[in-house]
Amino acid sequence: DAKTTQPPSMDCAEGRAANLPCNHSTISGNEYVYWYRQIHSQGPQYIIHGLKNNETNEMASLIITEDRKSSTLILPHATLRDTAVYYCIVRPLPSGGSYIPTFGRGTSLIVHP
Amino acid sequence: DVKVTQSSRYLVKRTGEKVFLECVQDMDHENMFWYRQDPGLGLRLIYFSYDVKMKEKGDIPEGYSVSREKKERFSLILESASTNQTSMYLCASSSSTYGYTFGSGTRLTVV
Repeated sequence: DAKTTQPPSMDCAEGRAANLPCNHSTISGNEYVYWYRQIHSQGPQYIIHGLKNNETNEMASLIITEDRKSSTLILPHATLRDTAVYYCIVRPLPSGGSYIPTFGRGTSLIVHP
Repeated sequence: DVKVTQSSRYLVKRTGEKVFLECVQDMDHENMFWYRQDPGLGLRLIYFSYDVKMKEKGDIPEGYSVSREKKERFSLILESASTNQTSMYLCASSSSTYGYTFGSGTRLTVV
């Protein structure tokens, strides 16, 4: 399975955009990029996913490079409540069978006033 | 919305006790998972299940077992709890589209 590499920590000022990078240089053609976040003492929460096109939803935007070897999660106007650990994983669709993605240590994002 | 419910938010057990952690999901997902999370180590997979009565070992199954008698319920069992099993335990189920949905977690302390 494809591994992902993320910086261990980042910080961002409240109201500014938070750009969280992820490298997945060994991603396969059928693997999607998923982002989750985990707020302290809660279970991880799904944010967004994409294959090769940029995606946007009410929570965030996902920018995937043309060669698909890296991606960036963008929180356009970070708030204090966005302080969390953000995980980038890759997995094929549909699920089931033998594929179990690996959650690494993620990026700890701290949003400061 | 998919819900994954873990029976206890906090649990304190004594060394040697048999511990049951229960997880229920309400969206008819085939796949269910148990992870533990410790500071600095991320999420580590203990066991997973693709269907009723089916189970597979994850990365750290030692000291644990699981039970999946019904599709919606996946139980993690600590046969004889030890202090090194003090951790946050997270249950998840998965769909083909939105990946994993996690429960709120059970923080288990073994004394």
